[in-house]
Amino acid sequence: DSGVTQTPKHLITATGQRVTLRCSPRSGDLSVYWYQQSLDQGLQFLIQYYNGEERAKGNILERFSAQQFPDLHSELNLSSLELGDSALYFCASRGQGANEKLFFGSGTQLSVL
Amino acid sequence: AQTVTQSQPEMSVQEAETVTLSCTYDTSESDYYLFWYKQPPSRQMILVIRQEAYKQQNATENRFSVNFQKAAKSFSLKISDSQLGDAAMYFCAYRLSNDMRFGAGTRLTVKP
Repeated sequence: DSGVTQTPKHLITATGQRVTLRCSPRSGDLSVYWYQQSLDQGLQFLIQYYNGEERAKGNILERFSAQQFPDLHSELNLSSLELGDSALYFCASRGQGANEKLFFGSGTQLSVL
Repeated sequence: AQTVTQSQPEMSVQEAETVTLSCTYDTSESDYYLFWYKQPPSRQMILVIRQEAYKQQNATENRFSVNFQKAAKSFSLKISDSQLGDAAMYFCAYRLSNDMRFGAGTRLTVKP
């Protein structure tokens, strides 16, 4: 168990809809990362937050947004969903040490039908 | 932007043999971190090994070791005495400060 909790584990929705994915980082971790993994693909970096502030941004679509709340949990909002948004969405958290690794949640599998 | 390249989409190894997975990266920085993550069929991401760029000594973790060539920007993973449980996708990753990027992955098959 990595200590990172993602909910829900599975999500099935229709095109055009909006969903929210939730992530609770490990206790004490201030950094949260979001990644998208399409079928048999690598991890595409979406966005990273540190203590409530956006710190790094990857190839995140304008239809997607995220935030980190004062209690450090994070949400990834996906809107106007398209079939191509179907993927496994990972959240990861990292400790404050410079060489700290990322601890990954088990992911949310999103299926857009 | 930093890029991580894994040139081997698939690799295969006989059980108990040794296999090396390749990874190269592009950076102009001198102080960064490199990682290898394993993703088994369960799709959980599991850290295999990490290397700090300022360290010349190659990292080792039991049967896993790396060959870190900083000048060549190369970071290969060697798996010795391969086991059936090593079968997975392996991702190389580069981190500079808050930015962490992954390669496209190498699918490793272990033959009994």
